[in-house]
Amino acid sequence: KQEVTQIPAALSVPEGENLVLNCSFTDSAIYNLQWFRQDPGKGLTSLLLIQSSQREQTSGRLNASLDKSSGRSTLYIAASQPGDSATYLCAVSPYTGANSKLTFGKGITLSVRP
Amino acid sequence: EAQVTQNPRYLITVTGKKLTVTCSQNMNHEYMSWYRQDPGLGLRQIYYSMNVEVTDKGDVPEGYKVSRKEKRNFPLILESPSPNQTSLYFCASSLVPYSYNEQFFGPGTRLTVL
Repeated sequence: KQEVTQIPAALSVPEGENLVLNCSFTDSAIYNLQWFRQDPGKGLTSLLLIQSSQREQTSGRLNASLDKSSGRSTLYIAASQPGDSATYLCAVSPYTGANSKLTFGKGITLSVRP
Repeated sequence: EAQVTQNPRYLITVTGKKLTVTCSQNMNHEYMSWYRQDPGLGLRQIYYSMNVEVTDKGDVPEGYKVSRKEKRNFPLILESPSPNQTSLYFCASSLVPYSYNEQFFGPGTRLTVL
């Protein structure tokens, strides 16, 4: 059974800091990995999708990497801003089967202090 | 604008009173699914649908029903809600089944069952 872990559960950093959020998963047989952002009480916004054949994806100040063999992904946020404060979740999808069920980590709640 | 919509966004009801949460997507996606999010448990899949008239159980289907009569709509039905179904519910969709596609999430429905 796939398990996704995100540690630590919460992180507080000063504005301007570059930071890395970690995600690990137990089963390397995945199709892709998605990083989401969730604001309090709100929906999930997809940030980046990395296919299993890819090593990384970039969007603006965000860069996500994937090491499938070791079961790890990182989300790098450059020059963090208070507006980046949110919960960041990673999710993996299974390699087999038509059910595109995502297995989520419990998320990292990020607070960027002005 | 391409999006997944859910209604209502907030609902307070009483035990046993049947309710339906609607989900609609305008992206002509074949695959749709429902998740619930609970503190400490993360997001768990309730039901999914690979296309019109094709639905199947996810990890936590007890107490829920779904239907997929049209491609764009995937309502979640609680025929006799109970307090343990108090949760934040998300509808998601992707272009086709199988896991290589990006998934898009609705804004969420916060349900409270008294």
